[in-house]
Amino acid sequence: SYVLTQPPSVSVAPGETATITCGAINIGDKSVHWYQQRPGLAPILVVYDQTARPSGIPERISGSNSGNTATLTISGVEAADEADYYCQVWHTTSDQRVFGGGTKLTVL
Amino acid sequence: EVKLVESGGGLVRPGGSLRLSCVASGFSFGGFSMSWVRQAPGKGLQWVSSISRSSDYKAYAEALRGRFTISRDNTKKSLFLEMTGLRADDTAVYFCARDRPNSATTYFDQWGQGTLVTVTS
Repeated sequence: SYVLTQPPSVSVAPGETATITCGAINIGDKSVHWYQQRPGLAPILVVYDQTARPSGIPERISGSNSGNTATLTISGVEAADEADYYCQVWHTTSDQRVFGGGTKLTVL
Repeated sequence: EVKLVESGGGLVRPGGSLRLSCVASGFSFGGFSMSWVRQAPGKGLQWVSSISRSSDYKAYAEALRGRFTISRDNTKKSLFLEMTGLRADDTAVYFCARDRPNSATTYFDQWGQGTLVTVTS
């Protein structure tokens, strides 16, 4: 099975930049999507197809993907960004949609 | 406004069955693939199953294949998940999600609020 590895937690001060990684063999060959889930709420899509943002998602949230690591970057972090973040890909060989284990972003 | 409303969750004994439903509104339901994603208490997201617009394609998480069955009724704008042989580790919030597939990938652009399934004796 295809495994996506995320750090369990990331902490940043308000106004700083948060970087959340998602690692897997040759993930750079795949389209990676990112979801934000605030406590007690349903996930929401924040980045799709590596770099695209749905309507309403601020430009300070961005994605990139190369080699064995995909990255979600949140610049100018705000208290409202405190949430769990999940990466996701479609592993076409096995026809499985795969999520990373999630990263808890804490705003100090 | 897109809305996905799940129902059918509850308490069930190990070995029991349950049927989850998701009613969609605010978009052309029959024009989109749909999926179920679950989240065990305190854990991460786990994809469960997906179904195409016309139900001619269905996919399941490898670990769940054989116990869960996905279906839909486009006339009623509804998505279903039939779960049998339930086990304690099936305890989770089950989310209904709208799928956006293309030739290279698929992602979930709209989510319901979820329905809780608790498997306990």
